[in-house]
Amino acid sequence: DTGVSQDPRHKITKRGQNVTFRCDPISEHNRLYWYRQTLGQGPEFLTYFQNEAQLEKSRLLSDRFSAERPKGSFSTLEIQRTEQGDSAMYLCASSRERRSSGNTIYFGEGSWLTVV
Amino acid sequence: SQQGEEDPQALSIQEGENATMNCSYKTSINNLQWYRQNSGRGLVHLILIRSNEREKHSGRLRVTLDTSKKSSSLLITASRAADTASYFCATDAWGQNFVFGPGTRLSVLP
Repeated sequence: DTGVSQDPRHKITKRGQNVTFRCDPISEHNRLYWYRQTLGQGPEFLTYFQNEAQLEKSRLLSDRFSAERPKGSFSTLEIQRTEQGDSAMYLCASSRERRSSGNTIYFGEGSWLTVV
Repeated sequence: SQQGEEDPQALSIQEGENATMNCSYKTSINNLQWYRQNSGRGLVHLILIRSNEREKHSGRLRVTLDTSKKSSSLLITASRAADTASYFCATDAWGQNFVFGPGTRLSVLP
């Protein structure tokens, strides 16, 4: 049990619908990451937050995707007007910033999205 | 493009044998980490090696890092069926996001 929790674990939605995923990081971690993973591939970076500030966004994060971390604690990832290509596992991870020794990031179990 | 690239893409061994996976990366890093992922699950952190370290051990795991060649290896000794999983390396370039490779799928046959 890594302590990062994601909800829901599985979501099936129709094309064109909006979906939202929630991530609760480990409580003392100020960094929160979102990754996407498709079958047989490694996780692809989407975005990360340090506290409530969204510091980096990947080009993979189209304008249909939005992530928030309003109070620097939990985060949400919303996908609007879902497409079949959005089907993937969405992984959340968190870490404590420790520049001197590096950051170990801890992953949740992921949220599977299937767009039909 | 991916920072880390694992090699081989897939590896099948018998229980009790050693498994070696390699990771190559492109830019200078602060540290490199190895993760394991069981099918359909999240990633589990295995070991972190800093750029000023050359070798690190954790139980049956041995990780090496060669910054001159921009490569790392993960050795799992005396493998078990429970080691069957995908293994990923991830590079940390001074506080930027972590970049993962496509992974090595390890199958340990009983």
